[in-house]
Amino acid sequence: GAGVSQSPRYKVAKRGQDVALRCDPISGHVSLFWYQQALGQGPEFLTYFQNEAQLDKSGLPSDRFFAERPEGSVSTLKIQRTQQEDSAVYLCASSLANRVDQPQHFGDGTRLSIL
Amino acid sequence: AQKVTQAQTEISVVEKEDVTLDCVYETRDTTYYLFWYKQPPSGELVFLIRRNSFDEQNEISGRYSWNFQKSTSSFNFTITASQVVDSAVYFCALSEAAGSARQLTFGSGTQLTVLP
Repeated sequence: GAGVSQSPRYKVAKRGQDVALRCDPISGHVSLFWYQQALGQGPEFLTYFQNEAQLDKSGLPSDRFFAERPEGSVSTLKIQRTQQEDSAVYLCASSLANRVDQPQHFGDGTRLSIL
Repeated sequence: AQKVTQAQTEISVVEKEDVTLDCVYETRDTTYYLFWYKQPPSGELVFLIRRNSFDEQNEISGRYSWNFQKSTSSFNFTITASQVVDSAVYFCALSEAAGSARQLTFGSGTQLTVLP
């Protein structure tokens, strides 16, 4: 499709399990971002890639969170040993160029629920 | 540090009324960009507008208009003659030009409900 695609749309996991969330950015987009959105809040930045390079991971809340984009296209956000506070919507966004004025285009998100 | 405040948590209007969504921001940078996004119930954030810190001209796009005032650090969004389809959560966001950071800092959003 033409937009950012995220899968799965919904994910339910038991506390302690590992999860992997996938993001397919818009074709040709250099920059890719992950955000976490808690219920009733605005998205909060997690990490940022320029092509395959992870340039900023300052927003990752703990070392249980890991993101990769090995070929500069699809990205995976992995959460190890999930905890209940990890429950949120995880949004992926991409932008055409590595410029701050470029609008970010978002996917529908993955709603993660940890039981 | 950058910060975006949307003081209005929820707004309800009747169809055809005008409504203004407030956004106040904080930044130490002289060069920055402001954005508005719409988030319908489906969850996807839809880009509406971008403004840079050097352009204070108001902008109108159909029923939408934006008022950017650096003197008050505000970037307010007005919907004229609101429609039921405008019901969504609206987010204001800020991006600073300094350094290598490219992420958006979002406000907490305003839930707009337009009643028929």
